[in-house]
Amino acid sequence: GQQVMQIPQYQHVQEGEDFTTYCNSSTTLSNIQWYKQRPGGHPVFLIQLVKSGEVKKQKRLTFQFGEAKKNSSLHITATQTTDVGTYFCAGPIITGGGNKLTFGTGTQLKVEL
Amino acid sequence: EPEVTQTPSHQVTQMGQEVILRCVPISNHLYFYWYRQILGQKVEFLVSFYNNEISEKSEIFDDQFSVERPDGSNFTLKIRSTKLEDSAMYFCASSELWYYEQYFGPGTRLTVT
Repeated sequence: GQQVMQIPQYQHVQEGEDFTTYCNSSTTLSNIQWYKQRPGGHPVFLIQLVKSGEVKKQKRLTFQFGEAKKNSSLHITATQTTDVGTYFCAGPIITGGGNKLTFGTGTQLKVEL
Repeated sequence: EPEVTQTPSHQVTQMGQEVILRCVPISNHLYFYWYRQILGQKVEFLVSFYNNEISEKSEIFDDQFSVERPDGSNFTLKIRSTKLEDSAMYFCASSELWYYEQYFGPGTRLTVT
């Protein structure tokens, strides 16, 4: 079945440093979604990328979808303590009746002052 | 802003007992999902539900699990005979259309003793 891996598993940064997490799928994806889960919280949708090579920005966050639509990355510029959490990419398997998300293994980000 | 709600927030049960986890999806959403997350691990898909029937289920979703939409608002997950390894956070999610982002509820922490 489809597998979605992320690296690194953990990342500790000083506030103000940049952060990047990489996501790789074993199969080509129709699109990729990114979610953030705060400690003790639930996944919250951040963004969806659909086109090959697509780049989208949300303030300090930059999301990329690879040309082959099998990999993606999330880059945070100048991290803040509010960025703490686990970032998951998710690759949907489109079925006739819905959108089954296969979540990546996640990257846990800790930001220290 | 509309949100997915789940009850209870925490459920403790003895091995072999039945539990029902409840969810109220966002009112105009048509697709409903259950996921689980064992502590410290990634989010795993269990089942998707559309038009009053299961549209997709994972290998985790075996005969001890069932889902139901008993009325126009609730969406339930029943675990018939709980095992220790069913201890996890269970998230309900919904989406407006099958290719749209999914909105997650706050989760129910299930502890099986």
